Amino acid sequence: DIVMTQTPLSSPVTLGQPASISCRSSQSLVHSNGNTYLSWHQQRPGQPPRLLIYEISNRFSGVPDRFSGSGAGTEFTLKISRVEAEDVGIYYCTQGTQYPHTFGQGTKLEIK
Amino acid sequence: EVQLVESGGGLVQPGGSLRLSCAASGFTFSTAWMSWLRHLPGRGLMSVSQIDPHGIRRDYADSVKGRFTISRDNAKNTVYLQMNSLRVEDTAVYYCITDVWGPQYWGQGTLVTVSS
Repeated sequence: DIVMTQTPLSSPVTLGQPASISCRSSQSLVHSNGNTYLSWHQQRPGQPPRLLIYEISNRFSGVPDRFSGSGAGTEFTLKISRVEAEDVGIYYCTQGTQYPHTFGQGTKLEIK
Repeated sequence: EVQLVESGGGLVQPGGSLRLSCAASGFTFSTAWMSWLRHLPGRGLMSVSQIDPHGIRRDYADSVKGRFTISRDNAKNTVYLQMNSLRVEDTAVYYCITDVWGPQYWGQGTLVTVSS
């Protein structure tokens, strides 16, 4: 199985400041069809996860543009340009290139 | 609006069985890959099983092979997870998702607790 490793595991951030989460995969996530199936998901307290970013950098429907994704191959990053109070929660990177889909350990974003 | 509503979770003894259901609406269910994921306490998220739109291709995580069976009824817009020979380590919140090369829409989850 592909192992997904996130850093940091905890990220205290000041409101209005940027935040960044890294995700590394144990092997390339480039599929034979040329696409890279790396997604980011947010889980707010008491809620199920929801999709934020798919295929590295595409924002899902309704996701604010302060969220952005980048990367290639085995190294990926989620950035929040200006953290808001509603962004508190746990963020997961996920690979869908190979089954079983695997997840990072999660990064807890909290406000300082 | 896409909705995925799981049901069937609960408390079961080791060795017992449960059948989870996921009722889907708001999209064309008969053309969608569907999956079950679980969130284990202290161990994170993991894939359990996926099924293709026609119910022909089914994949399983190694930890559940031979014990869990995924199925679907496209006439009822419902996907199922039959869980047999349950173990304490199967205790988790189980999520139904639409699977578009990874999770797209998530259900609210249903808690399965395996304990004597």
